[in-house]
Amino acid sequence: QKEVEQNSGPLSVPEGAIASLNCTYSDRGSQSFFWYRQYSGKSPELIMFIYSNGDKEDGRFTAQLNKASQYVSLLIRDSQPSDSATYLCAVPEEDNYGQNFVFGPGTRLSVLP
Amino acid sequence: NAGVTQTPKFQVLKTGQSMTLQCAQDMNHNSMYWYRQDPGMGLRLIYYSASEGTTDKGEVPNGYNVSRLNKREFSLRLESAAPSQTSVYFCASSGTEGIETQYFGPGTRLLVL
Repeated sequence: QKEVEQNSGPLSVPEGAIASLNCTYSDRGSQSFFWYRQYSGKSPELIMFIYSNGDKEDGRFTAQLNKASQYVSLLIRDSQPSDSATYLCAVPEEDNYGQNFVFGPGTRLSVLP
Repeated sequence: NAGVTQTPKFQVLKTGQSMTLQCAQDMNHNSMYWYRQDPGMGLRLIYYSASEGTTDKGEVPNGYNVSRLNKREFSLRLESAAPSQTSVYFCASSGTEGIETQYFGPGTRLLVL
């Protein structure tokens, strides 16, 4: 069973700052990494995913992968109060029956106006 | 296109009672999943179904059974509810393109007294 670790937070940043969220994983062979955002009382929604071939940027979001240290980070530039949510890191796990996710516990982000 | 739907939204049970959580998706996805989410523990996989007619245990299957009724529907049954099963339950589905197409339903909040 793969393990995915995250600092539970809360991480507080002022509006307009860069929020940096980190995730570490146990399986050195993991190839892809997913970030979900979950607002309080709502279901998780996919923000972005990254494969082992480098960083990925999507608007204000950037996912960065450091395979040597086995961690993946999510940077949110120009943070807005609407970014306040819990961010879940997920790593796919595959067995004979198919593919499913192992999720980290999530980091709660609070963006202060 | 409703995506992934779940019923009921909220349920209160007494210890020992049984109930079935319903999930349906209209995206023609092959794979479906049941997760539970507890504070500080993230999402944990209960059962999943890689295709119609197949099911497999996830990380925390004890106390639950599932049925993949057809391609659209995947139900989760608690035969004898226990207070430890108080949680938020999410159903999800993903397509043949891969797990990056996983979408979640709105969740069912279950309280077992």
